[in-house]
Amino acid sequence: DAKTTQPTSMDCAEGRAANLPCNHSTISGNEYVYWYRQIHSQGPQYIIHGLKNNETNEMASLIITEDRKSSTLILPHATLRDTAVYYCIVRVENNNDMRFGAGTRLTVKP
Amino acid sequence: EPEVTQTPSHQVTQMGQEVILRCVPISNHLYFYWYRQILGQKVEFLVSFYNNEISEKSEIFDDQFSVERPDGSNFTLKIRSTKLEDSAMYFCASSGEANQPQHFGDGTRLSIL
Repeated sequence: DAKTTQPTSMDCAEGRAANLPCNHSTISGNEYVYWYRQIHSQGPQYIIHGLKNNETNEMASLIITEDRKSSTLILPHATLRDTAVYYCIVRVENNNDMRFGAGTRLTVKP
Repeated sequence: EPEVTQTPSHQVTQMGQEVILRCVPISNHLYFYWYRQILGQKVEFLVSFYNNEISEKSEIFDDQFSVERPDGSNFTLKIRSTKLEDSAMYFCASSGEANQPQHFGDGTRLSIL
């Protein structure tokens, strides 16, 4: 699976959009981009995933560049409860293991 | 919304003892997984299980580890003779199909004394 690169930490003001970047320059054509988050002392929580088209669900939007070498997770109106470590994971379809990196620690501030 | 449940939330065990961690995956899911997270470190894959057999395992999952689906609802991880370095959070996950998102439980904190 391709390696991902994320900033170590980011801050965001409550109510503003949080834009979390991820680089995956060695991604292959059959690899999906997944986003999970881990709130302190809880298990990883699935947020969203995509292959090449932009995706949106009730939690977030995922913007994937046309060359697929990077993506951005957007939380449109961040709340204090969105403070967590966010993981960008590239995964081959039908591959069993999710390869978690260090992620981005997002702190939403009042 | 259906969720993965894990018991106990915290397990304290003497070194050398056997421990069984229990998970109830989401009911219509067919693929099951165990991960661990040592304090302050990354979440690491241990094993995946499908159709009553291991489909993939990592280097961490040595002969001291085993998994079982003893009935239609539970999925267990057994550590035969625990070591101090087994202290970690252990997360169970499940997915409906292999290419669908994995959903995680809130983990069991295992402390080896």
